[in-house]
Amino acid sequence: SQQGEEDPQALSIQEGENATMNCSYKTSINNLQWYRQNSGRGLVHLILIRSNEREKHSGRLRVTLDTSKKSSSLLITASRAADTASYFCATFRGTGFQKLVFGTGTRLLVSP
Amino acid sequence: DAGVIQSPRHEVTEMGQEVTLRCKPISGHNSLFWYRQTMMRGLELLIYFNNNVPIDDSGMPEDRFSAKMPNASFSTLKIQPSEPRDSAVYFCASSVGGTRLVSSYEQYFGPGTRLTVT
Repeated sequence: SQQGEEDPQALSIQEGENATMNCSYKTSINNLQWYRQNSGRGLVHLILIRSNEREKHSGRLRVTLDTSKKSSSLLITASRAADTASYFCATFRGTGFQKLVFGTGTRLLVSP
Repeated sequence: DAGVIQSPRHEVTEMGQEVTLRCKPISGHNSLFWYRQTMMRGLELLIYFNNNVPIDDSGMPEDRFSAKMPNASFSTLKIQPSEPRDSAVYFCASSVGGTRLVSSYEQYFGPGTRLTVT
């Protein structure tokens, strides 16, 4: 099963609106990452937040982390049509070798 | 930098045929990953190389799958014989800073190879 479960599975908004995506995970983490995947392309790393951080910003992106609830959120402010993509959270898990495990993703559609 | 390069971008083959996917990681990166993405199972790690050595191959589905990394600038993923259920998008990713115990934080993905087995 996926370590991270994003919700909603799909989100449709208008340009200029904010988009919020959530990720829940099950085990303790050292950090959590968010990636973007445009249609037909590979994933692109967006931002990493460490377990001792509660919030992090990068441009129009804002990520929060609540380790007590085992959840994270990704906020994209003032969305643009170019933000249309799937967004995945990813965490490390495993005994011995720690591998990056991706969630199920949120498909974001931003209409002009 | 050209980024991670994968070839071919698309591959259509018949069941039973051998398929070889190729990857050139970003120069200077010491970690290489092969992933498979499907609608049903999402993105799965197949194998992880660190300094050209396979570290974790627990995600390789079965013996029909094999991967090699003969040098720091080239890796292959081979499926022999291929089956329709192998149809998926296969991604190669590379990164710097990984170790034998943990894959590194930021991974750089190639554009993927879309494999269709009929």
